[in-house]
Amino acid sequence: GAVVSQHPSWVICKSGTSVKIECRSLDFQATTMFWYRQFPKQSLMLMATSNEGSKATYEQGVEKDKFLINHASLTLSTLTVTSAHPEDSSFYICSARKGQLSYEQYFGPGTRLTVT
Amino acid sequence: AQSVAQPEDQVNVAEGNPLTVKCTYSVSGNPYLFWYVQYPNRGLQFLLKYITGDNLVKGSYGFEAEFNKSQTSFHLKKPSALVSDSALYFCAVRDTGFQKLVFGTGTRLLVSP
Repeated sequence: GAVVSQHPSWVICKSGTSVKIECRSLDFQATTMFWYRQFPKQSLMLMATSNEGSKATYEQGVEKDKFLINHASLTLSTLTVTSAHPEDSSFYICSARKGQLSYEQYFGPGTRLTVT
Repeated sequence: AQSVAQPEDQVNVAEGNPLTVKCTYSVSGNPYLFWYVQYPNRGLQFLLKYITGDNLVKGSYGFEAEFNKSQTSFHLKKPSALVSDSALYFCAVRDTGFQKLVFGTGTRLLVSP
């Protein structure tokens, strides 16, 4: 199998605080992980691509200083939303790819962030 | 740049009837096409993919998709819908030169008993 987990599944934080979301590949090594954001009733928007051991590549319009991504190991990537604001409230989904030649991405269950 | 279009926001079908969820793509080079399903408050689940080979691809849960190069389409189909198939379906494309997937806007499938 290829299982990806996310933690937490939902989080509520106050405006101005930071929150960290973890994405783990449980039974495989993920050389590449992706972070998506999904607004209600909308499609997934790719935020960034992270390769293990290197800096993440952010999509145009995504603030890298606000959405910090760390991919320190082959099974863990983290997304930290810094100084969160209510407009950052969203559903964040990660996915992982097994290898450079793999065509498939395996998605985590998502994390619902609510900023009050 | 690669893109996919899902022209229908919602598809309604009665249980037991065949279903089709439409997807068209635009990509330079050979397309790598995918279908994913999303249940409420959950991540995406892989259904099937087309890389090369037979134009009719069979996937999970009885779904299949037909790749049509001349019409640049990759419609998702199932011969007999189940109420449990009700979910949000995403078509995606990955160009051979890029790592990332580009998703369509999604189609909500509603199967009525």
